[in-house]
Amino acid sequence: AQKVTQAQTEISVVEKEDVTLDCVYETRDTTYYLFWYKQPPSGELVFLIRRNSFDEQNEISGRYSWNFQKSTSSFNFTITASQVVDSAVYFCALSESGSNYKLTFGKGTLLTVNP
Amino acid sequence: DVKVTQSSRYLVKRTGEKVFLECVQDMDHENMFWYRQDPGLGLRLIYFSYDVKMKEKGDIPEGYSVSREKKERFSLILESASTNQTSMYLCASETARTASDGELFFGEGSRLTVL
Repeated sequence: AQKVTQAQTEISVVEKEDVTLDCVYETRDTTYYLFWYKQPPSGELVFLIRRNSFDEQNEISGRYSWNFQKSTSSFNFTITASQVVDSAVYFCALSESGSNYKLTFGKGTLLTVNP
Repeated sequence: DVKVTQSSRYLVKRTGEKVFLECVQDMDHENMFWYRQDPGLGLRLIYFSYDVKMKEKGDIPEGYSVSREKKERFSLILESASTNQTSMYLCASETARTASDGELFFGEGSRLTVL
């Protein structure tokens, strides 16, 4: 069963728009971790953030922010004032104590920011 | 900076050939992983290794084997390449798994085409 769902396959925005990438996860574990990774056109995935299941505090890092809501099993990622350099594929991922913390990735969302 | 280097960015092989994909990391990481990435399927774990000479199957190990003779090197082997193994292969590493890990460092990927 798919454990991480990124319903948006592709999103296209114009520069300076705000954009939210959705991530819904499924787990039976009480201890788990959620992640976002960015894959620019060069191909190398880059770690953006890790969140544990006991910390629902939202996080902001510059233009990036993350909204973790256990009630809806969601871990959404918002880019404020998007830029062309934000164009990439973004992956949400889950690791669970029951799976020895192996990462399960979503299918990814391709974000295109147009000038 | 952590560097994960994959030996070949692009390979073209014939059906039935034996294929070696090499991955080297320079940060003394214990854990190494091989994923394949396909459009619409995201990243799927093939094999991983927590230590030298140790390996564990991931979600899609069929048709693949791995070798880890040295800590810094993790090789993926296709004993007899088939067309359905045409894909992007991503190597990743991380320091020893703890309850709060999951920050993987990825290589740039090896795009394999099997004709």
